[in-house]
Amino acid sequence: SQQGEEDPQALSIQEGENATMNCSYKTSINNLQWYRQNSGRGLVHLILIRSNEREKHSGRLRVTLDTSKKSSSLLITASRAADTASYFCATDDAGNQFYFGTGTSLTVIP
Amino acid sequence: GAVVSQHPSWVICKSGTSVKIECRSLDFQATTMFWYRQFPKQSLMLMATSNEGSKATYEQGVEKDKFLINHASLTLSTLTVTSAHPEDSSFYICSARDLRLQETQYFGPGTRLLVL
Repeated sequence: SQQGEEDPQALSIQEGENATMNCSYKTSINNLQWYRQNSGRGLVHLILIRSNEREKHSGRLRVTLDTSKKSSSLLITASRAADTASYFCATDDAGNQFYFGTGTSLTVIP
Repeated sequence: GAVVSQHPSWVICKSGTSVKIECRSLDFQATTMFWYRQFPKQSLMLMATSNEGSKATYEQGVEKDKFLINHASLTLSTLTVTSAHPEDSSFYICSARDLRLQETQYFGPGTRLLVL
């Protein structure tokens, strides 16, 4: 399977704390993208980082990419209860196939 | 951002019937659409990739005669679950991208299928 893996599978933090989740993948990629999914809903695109980029910021989100280790991390700073959701990384490989990681379920406690 | 819709949002059907799910890109032309299924508390599994005007490419283990995909226009793709069985009950999500404009896939809200 070309599916990536994320850790932790579940993360529970207090509001205001930072949340970090990691994604590892197996193939060469063009880019890696992070998505958020609220329970039973569709996916919302958060951020895209290309294979030649190492770090990217968007608001309270910070994404890093290490292509030598085939890994990425998503940091959410100053978390809010509304950030509670599942977060998925997805890799876009050179063949334009798109594969999702296993996901991290984040719970932010008010 | 780009908007993708799916219809219906949920469907309940009897075992043996066929169900059609529509995926539409509302404000852009989708040269490629993707179909995923997701079981509870699990990740999205890519089922197939469809390019407008050509046959869909199915992932290993996905029966093409069971899951019929048609991408007849640049704004519409359909997934038909034929002779549905209870094990086909799942959350089906489509996504669309326009490679001429951007790399991002935009996802529909999903269709929840329950086969009794």
